[in-house]
Amino acid sequence: EPEVTQTPSHQVTQMGQEVILRCVPISNHLYFYWYRQILGQKVEFLVSFYNNEISEKSEIFDDQFSVERPDGSNFTLKIRSTKLEDSAMYFCASSGPYNEQFFGPGTRLTVL
Amino acid sequence: QKEVEQDPGPLSVPEGAIVSLNCTYSNSAFQYFMWYRQYSRKGPELLMYTYSSGNKEDGRFTAQVDKSSKYISLFIRDSQPSDSATYLCAMSANNYGQNFVFGPGTRLSVLP
Repeated sequence: EPEVTQTPSHQVTQMGQEVILRCVPISNHLYFYWYRQILGQKVEFLVSFYNNEISEKSEIFDDQFSVERPDGSNFTLKIRSTKLEDSAMYFCASSGPYNEQFFGPGTRLTVL
Repeated sequence: QKEVEQDPGPLSVPEGAIVSLNCTYSNSAFQYFMWYRQYSRKGPELLMYTYSSGNKEDGRFTAQVDKSSKYISLFIRDSQPSDSATYLCAMSANNYGQNFVFGPGTRLSVLP
């Protein structure tokens, strides 16, 4: 069964450093998303991406964040200068023509 | 008023019980309603995807939507210890590429 994969599973970084979180969406899906979940809190939308551009983003997705689809399979989230409050689980999701979003296993980001 | 509300639980039931999980929401534009199951430190797993008001059944799971009351439910029949997880409701206004708004989740424990 096709699934969304994410790497790494856990990333530890120092405050102020750049991180890139990687995702491989389900191959025939058209829409891609990043969500985050701070420990013990709800899942929050960050950004959606379609046709090689951002289609929607939340207030959380400020200038420190960027997304890219560098090739036909990968979808990345970059945080330019990490802050302590960026520590969270980051989930990638993808969907086809209908909005059934399938989530990856997540990357746990720890900012020290 | 929060956009999507769920009783956080924890909800503890004996094995074999019927479980009822609920969400209320405030935005009448929501038309697409999803239920996800999330095990600890894992990605959300899509259980049910429904459109507008009505019922949908899939195995032991039944999803109900009452748009007039802005209330959705997930019923789990013959609950199993493996159903122990956090259940998240999510909803969106459109059917393509739009971010979900998640509820905070209800933690369920099914006791053997």
